[in-house]
Amino acid sequence: AQKVTQAQTEISVVEKEDVTLDCVYETRDTTYYLFWYKQPPSGELVFLIRRNSFDEQNEISGRYSWNFQKSTSSFNFTITASQVVDSAVYFCALTSPNDYKLSFGAGTTVTVRA
Amino acid sequence: NAGVMQNPRHLVRRRGQEARLRCSPMKGHSHVYWYRQLPEEGLKFMVYLQKENIIDESGMPKERFSAEFPKEGPSILRIQQVVRGDSAAYFCASSPLWNRDVGYGYTFGSGTRLTVV
Repeated sequence: AQKVTQAQTEISVVEKEDVTLDCVYETRDTTYYLFWYKQPPSGELVFLIRRNSFDEQNEISGRYSWNFQKSTSSFNFTITASQVVDSAVYFCALTSPNDYKLSFGAGTTVTVRA
Repeated sequence: NAGVMQNPRHLVRRRGQEARLRCSPMKGHSHVYWYRQLPEEGLKFMVYLQKENIIDESGMPKERFSAEFPKEGPSILRIQQVVRGDSAAYFCASSPLWNRDVGYGYTFGSGTRLTVV
């Protein structure tokens, strides 16, 4: 069985602060894929990133960065210099070649105050 | 076809009525997946369909829920005799096929928010 844990339910920061969202996963598969999605107040799911288990390079995209550590089964997400538009629920998800289903974490609600 | 289209965006039903949620996959996608997001929770897999076939419905409640993906037309998620606990956001995703080598090619729709009053 696959499992994703996002221990932080809610995070509130002031604009321009950095915020890191934790994601810990469990899987028996040696090959797997990790995802982050953003769900803004409008409700749609916005794909942010997909990471393969065999690629441990960290990634940066603008103000977003991801830290993938297989040793601790974590795939953390950092927003640098947060903005009000970053206010959303962020979901971490996991799947593998043997399972077409995505297993989602419960999500972390990020509120960025002006 | 810009993406996965779901309609309606919002649906209000009284207890005991039927709810029909529609999902048109991206052009060229023949696989559809339905997920449910209960309030304050992450998304949970419900059902996986290919054209005219249900491949996996292990996440579907045993009663009142059904899904189809006909040869022509959108995929339909049908909830009969809705109850308050069915209030949730229902998301549809599509993919061209399940590609084991390159990981998952999901594209999600914007969801249908069902409110049962």
